[in-house]
Amino acid sequence: DVKVTQSSRYLVKRTGEKVFLECVQDMDHENMFWYRQDPGLGLRLIYFSYDVKMKEKGDIPEGYSVSREKKERFSLILESASTNQTSMYLCASSLWSGEGTGGYTFGSGTRLTVV
Amino acid sequence: AQSVTQPDIHITVSEGASLELRCNYSYGATPYLFWYVQSPGQGLQLLLKYFSGDTLVQGIKGFEAEFKRSQSSFNLRKPSVHWSDAAEYFCAVGTTSGTYKYIFGTGTRLKVLA
Repeated sequence: DVKVTQSSRYLVKRTGEKVFLECVQDMDHENMFWYRQDPGLGLRLIYFSYDVKMKEKGDIPEGYSVSREKKERFSLILESASTNQTSMYLCASSLWSGEGTGGYTFGSGTRLTVV
Repeated sequence: AQSVTQPDIHITVSEGASLELRCNYSYGATPYLFWYVQSPGQGLQLLLKYFSGDTLVQGIKGFEAEFKRSQSSFNLRKPSVHWSDAAEYFCAVGTTSGTYKYIFGTGTRLKVLA
């Protein structure tokens, strides 16, 4: 069964810490995405990547960075965690081309609490 | 720019009753349309998708959705709801341009009464 795996289900970090959220997919997908999900706001795109070492800002990139050194791995970095970054973080991947995308495949999410 | 609206934040139905969740989109051309379901504490699972062709799309778990271009809608339906359908449902729209980035609605939370 194809998978998107997020390394942690729950994380608790202190304000000011540097936080790494890891995502790995085994489907050879070109596109990978990081979203955060907050009640009443739905899913908001933080960053996405359409190829190795390529990245583009989404709608809310401030306070975040990403790294994609290998096709299967896409990391989200909180440079200096703040309490307003407490959220559910969802990683997703998809194929590149048109109708063959089949939509996104999501990981199970990482619930991050910053104290 | 494309956008997605799910007008209902919460919906409550009785088990066995029919269900319709609304989704309206804004996009200049024919979009790609999706419905996802999220169980508590989980990621999102794809229920069904529309790219082209037949406007009535069948998905998993007995769900279907109908694309209506004139109404810019893609409503999700199920004839008889089961208690296990209680979850949050997200509509999403994608385009054929660029990197296939999707825009998600804010979700509709479904409660099922026994």
